[in-house]
Amino acid sequence: ETGVTQTPRHLVMGMTNKKSLKCEQHLGHNAMYWYKQSAKKPLELMFVYSLEERVENNSVPSRFSPECPNSSHLFLHLHTLQPEDSALYLCASSQGLAGVDEQFFGPGTRLTVL
Amino acid sequence: AQKITQTQPGMFVQEKEAVTLDCTYDTSDQSYGLFWYKQPSSGEMIFLIYQGSYDEQNATEGRYSLNFQKARKSANLVISASQLGDSAMYFCAMRDLISSGSARQLTFGSGTQLTVLP
Repeated sequence: ETGVTQTPRHLVMGMTNKKSLKCEQHLGHNAMYWYKQSAKKPLELMFVYSLEERVENNSVPSRFSPECPNSSHLFLHLHTLQPEDSALYLCASSQGLAGVDEQFFGPGTRLTVL
Repeated sequence: AQKITQTQPGMFVQEKEAVTLDCTYDTSDQSYGLFWYKQPSSGEMIFLIYQGSYDEQNATEGRYSLNFQKARKSANLVISASQLGDSAMYFCAMRDLISSGSARQLTFGSGTQLTVLP
């Protein structure tokens, strides 16, 4: 595997379910990101993990819970979601340095909440 | 705070023609970077080109070039000799270049859907 991978690619869940999205990067990067892409809206940064530091967008509801066990893996735990949470969830990684620090994206997980 | 504006929700271009996708930005940072990403229907965001605020020359990468006008705060993407495979959503994004850690987040525009016609 190379680059950034995400599983599953598609997920349909009910509002009472609990599921997790997984992201893995094979680039030796030190920073990982979760973005939400809703229809007709700009990408919204949800969470950043950089080395030991985690930052979240204060507008992200608590029903989204990230986990970063190491620099290569990132999870997004989902519980009691709402239909408006249906979106494409993109994971990205970067070296985590100042400067250009280009972000490399995974293919995304298309989430549908019924 | 940073803001990216892409005023063209959709654009059409004939195959083999050139097309310009508009991007304007607003920031109080002195040192910043501008990025363009391509998102095909498959969903993956593909990095195309980067321009630093202090770069004196416009960036070029193959058929992609960035028309950077700092005074106007614009960073338009020019695609030359369009191909059918260029049909996709295109996003302009920016971040400051000084901060590290949590401040390295990218701010994205709303995107432009480009359709290349045969």
